[in-house]
Amino acid sequence: GQQVMQIPQYQHVQEGEDFTTYCNSSTTLSNIQWYKQRPGGHPVFLIQLVKSGEVKKQKRLTFQFGEAKKNSSLHITATQTTDVGTYFCAGPPGGGADGLTFGKGTHLIIQP
Amino acid sequence: DAGVIQSPRHEVTEMGQEVTLRCKPISGHDYLFWYRQTMMRGLELLIYFNNNVPIDDSGMPEDRFSAKMPNASFSTLKIQPSEPRDSAVYFCASSFHTGANVLTFGAGSRLTVL
Repeated sequence: GQQVMQIPQYQHVQEGEDFTTYCNSSTTLSNIQWYKQRPGGHPVFLIQLVKSGEVKKQKRLTFQFGEAKKNSSLHITATQTTDVGTYFCAGPPGGGADGLTFGKGTHLIIQP
Repeated sequence: DAGVIQSPRHEVTEMGQEVTLRCKPISGHDYLFWYRQTMMRGLELLIYFNNNVPIDDSGMPEDRFSAKMPNASFSTLKIQPSEPRDSAVYFCASSFHTGANVLTFGAGSRLTVL
């Protein structure tokens, strides 16, 4: 079945440094979504990318969808303590099924 | 809307006991998903419903797990009998299908089986 891989698993940064997480799918995706989960919380939808090569920005967050629609990245500029959490990418499972297959996430740890 | 509502938030039980987790999706959402989250396996889709009908339960780990959705505003996930390896956070999520499922998650039910 379809697999969604994310790297790195953990990322420690100093507050103010940049952060990037990468997502790769074993199959071409019709869309990719990103979610954030705060410690002890639940995943919260951030954004959806649909078009090949698409780039979207939300304040300090930049999301990209690869040209082949099999990979994606999330970049955070000048991290803040409020950015702490786990960032997940997710894509449709394929085969006409609904729902999302999630990557295992990247845990962002920020040292003040 | 109050969002997706799950209960209980925490459940501690002993091995062999029956566990029932409950979910109220967002009104108007026609899809409901049950996910399980563990450190080792991440977020796994267990089962999902469309218009109250179970569509895909291939993620349900064993016959000990069952799920129902008797109406559009209520779903249950039942584990009987429970085992320590079932300890996890169970999330319910709902969506309105517009070509892609953007999920709204509930706060989760943290299950500990001793």
